[in-house]
Amino acid sequence: AQTVTQSQPEMSVQEAETVTLSCTYDTSESDYYLFWYKQPPSRQMILVIRQEAYKQQNATENRFSVNFQKAAKSFSLKISDSQLGDAAMYFCASVGNSGNTPLVFGKGTRLSVIA
Amino acid sequence: DTEVTQTPKHLVMGMTNKKSLKCEQHMGHRAMYWYKQKAKKPPELMFVYSYEKLSINESVPSRFSPECPNSSLLNLHLHALQPEDSALYLCASSQGRWRKHTGELFFGEGSRLTVL
Repeated sequence: AQTVTQSQPEMSVQEAETVTLSCTYDTSESDYYLFWYKQPPSRQMILVIRQEAYKQQNATENRFSVNFQKAAKSFSLKISDSQLGDAAMYFCASVGNSGNTPLVFGKGTRLSVIA
Repeated sequence: DTEVTQTPKHLVMGMTNKKSLKCEQHMGHRAMYWYKQKAKKPPELMFVYSYEKLSINESVPSRFSPECPNSSLLNLHLHALQPEDSALYLCASSQGRWRKHTGELFFGEGSRLTVL
């Protein structure tokens, strides 16, 4: 079984500043993937970043990076140089490599960007 | 540009109506999904099709009936819905068999359903 917990329902950040969104997870799988998905007010959900659990190196995609702490089962998302277009719901998600269960989402964090 | 197209974007229906939601993708993905999303909540999985066969039905009421006519199309037939079924219905797709995908889902913009 897998669970994903996002403890921050809402966050805000000043434009050009840095913000970190928290996520913890639990899984019985030995190999798994972790994700951050973004859902802007226009509703289409898109993948922001993906981390493969067997890789120790933290994933990075331009202004987005993760802090993956496997032992602590923590997977936070850092957004640098925040832009107005970053305002959205952010969902942390996990899927095991066994293929026994589909993707599991956290409850989401609503990020506001203040100009 | 979204590569998963959902129609209609908005649908209002009465409890006795029959309607359908449609989803199309041309990325060659072989797994397709229906999710239901209430406001300020994460998506909830309803159905998974893998290679045009129903692989997962998450105990969804029979008033929701999925159909996968071919590898590019996914429909959700709606009948005798309740007001609590009002939500955003999201379609998604992924490469390969759903059990082997890496978790990256490609979502459509959704169909906003209101049941009166």
